[in-house]
Amino acid sequence: DTEVTQTPKHLVMGMTNKKSLKCEQHMGHRAMYWYKQKAKKPPELMFVYSYEKLSINESVPSRFSPECPNSSLLNLHLHALQPEDSALYLCASSQVAPGELFFGEGSRLTVL
Amino acid sequence: DQQVKQNSPSLSVQEGRISILNCDYTNSMFDYFLWYKKYPAEGPTFLISISSIKDKNEDGRFTVFLNKSAKHLSLHIVPSQPGDSAVYFCAASAGNMLTFGGGTRLMVKP
Repeated sequence: DTEVTQTPKHLVMGMTNKKSLKCEQHMGHRAMYWYKQKAKKPPELMFVYSYEKLSINESVPSRFSPECPNSSLLNLHLHALQPEDSALYLCASSQVAPGELFFGEGSRLTVL
Repeated sequence: DQQVKQNSPSLSVQEGRISILNCDYTNSMFDYFLWYKKYPAEGPTFLISISSIKDKNEDGRFTVFLNKSAKHLSLHIVPSQPGDSAVYFCAASAGNMLTFGGGTRLMVKP
């Protein structure tokens, strides 16, 4: 199994909603990442978890809250988002950090 | 301040010819470089990488060249195939951080 699975693929939410993005990998990777990608821009790093501990938070607003319940799962909790937060959110994993990243297909988020 | 730059937003190449995608970086702490390929509506897919101790790495039709003194790397695809049409991202790593370039859209025409 060489996949990183992200759900949901599409999410539309209002600015007062609370929702979560989920990511799962079963490759035994010990580093997991959240990236944000806007149209025609490169992926921007948001968070890095290494051995289930948050090791990097790239000055992301607190309305984004990551969670790593175990070594296979990574969540991104969303609350009180703004329309400019609409983007493709990519989860990735690697054997250790840093390393070759395996990306999921992304969750496309639209905030109304 | 963009630490990794891909100055060509797009590149068009005839099938069978060589595609050369370029990438420049400014941070001398980068020690590992990667190329990713991205199709629309999919996450980036790892293509090939190179460590800073090497100047060339080859994998089938794909070769990455690294010129540390010029802080420049390039990806050569030969022969190019229509299925190679995608956006290619160069990325550079220092510690836990992976920084992406802006991407180059490659179009391979039959």
